[in-house]
Amino acid sequence: SQTIHQWPATLVQPVGSPLSLECTVEGTSNPNLYWYRQAAGRGLQLLFYSVGIGQISSEVPQNLSASRPQDRQFILSSKKLLLSDSGFYLCAWAASDTQYFGPGTRLTVL
Amino acid sequence: DAKTTQPPSMDCAEGRAANLPCNHSTISGNEYVYWYRQIHSQGPQYIIHGLKNNETNEMASLIITEDRKSSTLILPHATLRDTAVYYCMKGGDDKIIFGKGTRLHILP
Repeated sequence: SQTIHQWPATLVQPVGSPLSLECTVEGTSNPNLYWYRQAAGRGLQLLFYSVGIGQISSEVPQNLSASRPQDRQFILSSKKLLLSDSGFYLCAWAASDTQYFGPGTRLTVL
Repeated sequence: DAKTTQPPSMDCAEGRAANLPCNHSTISGNEYVYWYRQIHSQGPQYIIHGLKNNETNEMASLIITEDRKSSTLILPHATLRDTAVYYCMKGGDDKIIFGKGTRLHILP
């Protein structure tokens, strides 16, 4: 069966520091991968999605970037965090038309 | 417009059927209707999806109108554990856009 992992589960970072969040999927090949952000009390915002290694589509221009160095690995990065980057970051995978979400990373930028 | 419209909140008595409506009037012919739910501080959980026909699985039923402009998610016997935010989305071609969802309160 397929599983999706995200780490870390929680993270507290100072403004201006870099960020690296990792997502890995097991039990499937060539999945579509997604990064979402959910601000406190808000809905989910699609940030990036990837249909293959090295292929990244950005939905919202901002100071975040994504990379897919391996088939089942998806990384969300920032060179300098802003206060507005705080939120719950979710990774998801899809092999057909349905997305399945990971447990999320709660990021607090102080 | 990639959004769907849902009531912001609903109440349902425990043991009764919860019927959650969704309007997706701009849906195109190849877009599916998806339902997810999110329990506080967890990742969204897939519930069900459909294209034209009504669908049923172990969690819920999905009723899609003939013109596909709206749908209803039915939880047949709501329990306290069904308290969550329910998201209705339309999507396809590798992308699903989440709206604001309906916060469902199950009342004991």
